[in-house]
Amino acid sequence: SQQGEEDPQALSIQEGENATMNCSYKTSINNLQWYRQNSGRGLVHLILIRSNEREKHSGRLRVTLDTSKKSSSLLITASRAADTASYFCATGSGNTGKLIFGQGTTLQVKP
Amino acid sequence: GAVVSQHPSWVICKSGTSVKIECRSLDFQATTMFWYRQFPKQSLMLMATSNEGSKATYEQGVEKDKFLINHASLTLSTLTVTSAHPEDSSFYICSARVATSNSNQPQHFGDGTRLSIL
Repeated sequence: SQQGEEDPQALSIQEGENATMNCSYKTSINNLQWYRQNSGRGLVHLILIRSNEREKHSGRLRVTLDTSKKSSSLLITASRAADTASYFCATGSGNTGKLIFGQGTTLQVKP
Repeated sequence: GAVVSQHPSWVICKSGTSVKIECRSLDFQATTMFWYRQFPKQSLMLMATSNEGSKATYEQGVEKDKFLINHASLTLSTLTVTSAHPEDSSFYICSARVATSNSNQPQHFGDGTRLSIL
């Protein structure tokens, strides 16, 4: 079953612009993770934010987490054509390491 | 580091054939591996959690006799789609998690296997 929703489902921007994707979830979590998937490939881990953290940065990526609203956002600054991909949030809870994925956002960055 | 290799990357076979997909963690030990199925333009659906040395835990609605999972070592898990039919055609992805008691760890994904049943 899916944990929640991501919006927008699709996003098209020009190179150099910022891209923001949002993720909502339903249950309590240990962490929330963001992954990128290029077409026809596996997923690449981008960033993990723990439930007691509110913001995390990695290069051009900025992730926020609001556990009171059960939501997270991924901001990609100064986007590049190579950022074109699908982006998924996933929540981890319990001790199994199991992840529940959101529906994903398809990002297209036009050169 | 944390490389997961999945093989084969694609397979086409006739209906009724059984197909085995391998998932290997190349540079780390993984007590737990996960198998997902992904339909076109959709998200990942967790099929089962594969634990080294024990039976896999299947998600609701996933037939364990249809999708056989074996995790015989800390670096290898296999998924066998038995007597495959066209409706089993899909993109199958595995992931592995470093053996640790820390629940805040990412999963490392293979590149997926595209299975087409004719």
